[in-house]
Amino acid sequence: QKEVEQNSGPLSVPEGAIASLNCTYSDRGSQSFFWYRQYSGKSPELIMSIYSNGDKEDGRFTAQLNKASQYVSLLIRDSQPSDSATYLCAVNIAGAGNMLTFGGGTRLMVKP
Amino acid sequence: DAGVIQSPRHEVTEMGQEVTLRCKPISGHDYLFWYRQTMMRGLELLIYFNNNVPIDDSGMPEDRFSAKMPNASFSTLKIQPSEPRDSAVYFCASSPRQGGNQPQHFGDGTRLSIL
Repeated sequence: QKEVEQNSGPLSVPEGAIASLNCTYSDRGSQSFFWYRQYSGKSPELIMSIYSNGDKEDGRFTAQLNKASQYVSLLIRDSQPSDSATYLCAVNIAGAGNMLTFGGGTRLMVKP
Repeated sequence: DAGVIQSPRHEVTEMGQEVTLRCKPISGHDYLFWYRQTMMRGLELLIYFNNNVPIDDSGMPEDRFSAKMPNASFSTLKIQPSEPRDSAVYFCASSPRQGGNQPQHFGDGTRLSIL
């Protein structure tokens, strides 16, 4: 069973702080990693993808990948109340085309 | 470019009725996925298609569930007969052809309530 684990939260941070969301996965063959944001009552929306070890930055978002430790994280700088949502980590299943395994999600609350 | 389109957005029906959910993937995407999301179980993959062919249906909970993809631009998920425990949000997602690096793009979902 391929697993993707996330702390369900809620993770509460003050406005302007850095939010750090973490994810671990079990399939050592995984090569593609994605972060989705899901607002309450809405569908998951892709916000970041990362394929190589290290950091990838896009605006206020930074994804970090460490394949040796089977760990991927998402940092949100200058957190805003509009960032309050559930963040889903998704990992591809090696050898299964574009099939993804999703974590249970971390609920982030950014307090004004 | 139009995203993944699902219909209906909401469906309320009585136990025992047949329910049909519809999905139009993004044009040119070869993969189509059906998910179910509940508070208790999170996002669960039910079935996925590649080039209109079902590849993995191990997530389909019971024989009451069936899915088809008659062409590249249309898929259905059918529940017959429906039960209250089928109440959930059902998402359809699509992704471009295999490369192993392709994310999935989700539709707005169908919120299904079985009374």
